[in-house]
Amino acid sequence: SQELEQSPQSLIVQEGKNLTINCTSSKTLYGLYWYKQKYGEGLIFLMMLQKGGEEKSHEKITAKLDEKKQQSSLHITASQPSHAGIYLCGAISGNTPLVFGKGTRLSVIA
Amino acid sequence: NAGVTQTPKFQVLKTGQSMTLQCAQDMNHNSMYWYRQDPGMGLRLIYYSASEGTTDKGEVPNGYNVSRLNKREFSLRLESAAPSQTSVYFCASSDLPGYEQYFGPGTRLTVT
Repeated sequence: SQELEQSPQSLIVQEGKNLTINCTSSKTLYGLYWYKQKYGEGLIFLMMLQKGGEEKSHEKITAKLDEKKQQSSLHITASQPSHAGIYLCGAISGNTPLVFGKGTRLSVIA
Repeated sequence: NAGVTQTPKFQVLKTGQSMTLQCAQDMNHNSMYWYRQDPGMGLRLIYYSASEGTTDKGEVPNGYNVSRLNKREFSLRLESAAPSQTSVYFCASSDLPGYEQYFGPGTRLTVT
């Protein structure tokens, strides 16, 4: 079965700094979703990547899919307190439910 | 559009008690899911329903049962709650398995 490993598990950054979160799959990635979860709340969809090399941006968050490395990266530019939360990647695995990573907990300090 | 709604938001049970978590979606989605989220374990799929009338086990189905009541509603039942079932439970829905999932706000369950 497919497994997703996210790194780092947790991250503390100073406001204004850039950061990157990685999601590595044990199998070929056919597509990947990124979600954000604020503490104590449900998951909010950020973006979906389907093709190798595809890159998408939403406000200050950019995600890219590297099929060869079976990996996706999420990059936040000039982090803000509103970026704090748990980021989860979810992989498309055929016609079955998404497989999720364990999440990366991001804290942004002033 | 309410999206995905879950009831209750919080629940405390004693070991051995039973309860049903309710989930409803108003997006006309075919597929619905139940997950549990525990610290350090991420989201783990309990059961899912790819379409109305079908249900399948996920990664951690033991101790749970589900019912796809109709296209809108998917309930999760704990017949005899155990402390190991203390968790946050999320319901989600999507057009089809593998498509973008929309999540409810979660139910925080404590079993003492």
